[in-house]
Amino acid sequence: GAVVSQHPSWVICKSGTSVKIECRSLDFQATTMFWYRQFPKQSLMLMATSNEGSKATYEQGVEKDKFLINHASLTLSTLTVTSAHPEDSSFYICSALGLADTYEQYFGPGTRLTVT
Amino acid sequence: AQKVTQAQTEISVVEKEDVTLDCVYETRDTTYYLFWYKQPPSGELVFLIRRNSFDEQNEISGRYSWNFQKSTSSFNFTITASQVVDSAVYFCALSDPYNFNKFYFGSGTKLNVKP
Repeated sequence: GAVVSQHPSWVICKSGTSVKIECRSLDFQATTMFWYRQFPKQSLMLMATSNEGSKATYEQGVEKDKFLINHASLTLSTLTVTSAHPEDSSFYICSALGLADTYEQYFGPGTRLTVT
Repeated sequence: AQKVTQAQTEISVVEKEDVTLDCVYETRDTTYYLFWYKQPPSGELVFLIRRNSFDEQNEISGRYSWNFQKSTSSFNFTITASQVVDSAVYFCALSDPYNFNKFYFGSGTKLNVKP
């Protein structure tokens, strides 16, 4: 149990376009999901906390207008990178908290975004 | 502020060797959680352990063991008789004091286990 999926697993887009990444909890409901960004050979940096039915909470330095987060249901959160630039190229990982078990996050497999 | 330091960027061992991955953390809070995650080449983080700040008992799970020392703010991870499948990047993480679900990750240690 506790499987989190991400779609797509990798995407290449051109500068100026927008890309949407989906994060789904497959066998449990998640009121809270997290979005992380990981640069090559570096650590995970928390970008935002996504709460079902409310606005996401962004970490300091993360542009909320550039990284749009929507958590419309208990099993789906989306991250949209708007007007992507090459510097947005990164590995984006989501995680989800199960309703019954706090403090343990279930991570998705990640989405590799390359902006050309 | 919360901070996690994993000083070992990369470690290479030969199969069956024991290896210890270091994790040192900084916090001014008395209540917090520490975690270890494994990130294999596929990219998906795998949960290994969660430990709260009030439980300093060492833990063993198969070939894995963890040593939590509050006196030195360390939460080290040892793999006994390493195997090639243990090759991965290992992250240590510390929870935020106001939101235990918010994590601060260390920079990770890449472990290479050679046959």
